[in-house]
Amino acid sequence: DAKTTQPTSMDCAEGRAANLPCNHSTISGNEYVYWYRQIHSQGPQYIIHGLKNNETNEMASLIITEDRKSSTLILPHATLRDTAVYYCIVRVWSGANNLFFGTGTRLTVIP
Amino acid sequence: EPEVTQTPSHQVTQMGQEVILRCVPISNHLYFYWYRQILGQKVEFLVSFYNNEISEKSEIFDDQFSVERPDGSNFTLKIRSTKLEDSAMYFCASSDASSGYTFGSGTRLTVV
Repeated sequence: DAKTTQPTSMDCAEGRAANLPCNHSTISGNEYVYWYRQIHSQGPQYIIHGLKNNETNEMASLIITEDRKSSTLILPHATLRDTAVYYCIVRVWSGANNLFFGTGTRLTVIP
Repeated sequence: EPEVTQTPSHQVTQMGQEVILRCVPISNHLYFYWYRQILGQKVEFLVSFYNNEISEKSEIFDDQFSVERPDGSNFTLKIRSTKLEDSAMYFCASSDASSGYTFGSGTRLTVV
């Protein structure tokens, strides 16, 4: 699986958009970009994933650059409950493939 | 929304004792996993399981660890002789071929 690089930490004001970047310059053509988050010591929670097109769901939007070497997760209106560690993971699309977590970005939403 | 259920939420055990951590994956999922997270560290892959056998395991998953799917609903992780360094949060997860993983809320294992 390709390596990813994320900032260690970020702050965001409550109600504003949180934009979390991820670099994955060695991504392969068959690798997807996945985002998960972990709130305190809970189990990681799936947020969104994409291959090359931008994706949106009820939780977030995922913007992938045209060369696929980087992406941005957007939480449109951050709340205090979005304070968590956010992980960007690239992997081949397969139910059997494992997730390899890095250190992620610790997002703190400030009131 | 379907969820992965783990029991117990917290287990305290004496060093050298055997522990079994239990998980009930989402019913129509085919792939099952165990991960662990030592306090303050990264989430680490332990083992994946598909079609009643181990698909892949990490270096952490040595002979002290075993997994089993004893019936159609449970998925267990056994640690035969616990060590102090086995103290961690253990997360079970399941997936199908098309979805992201769903993780359980974890079992906090404390070895004393």
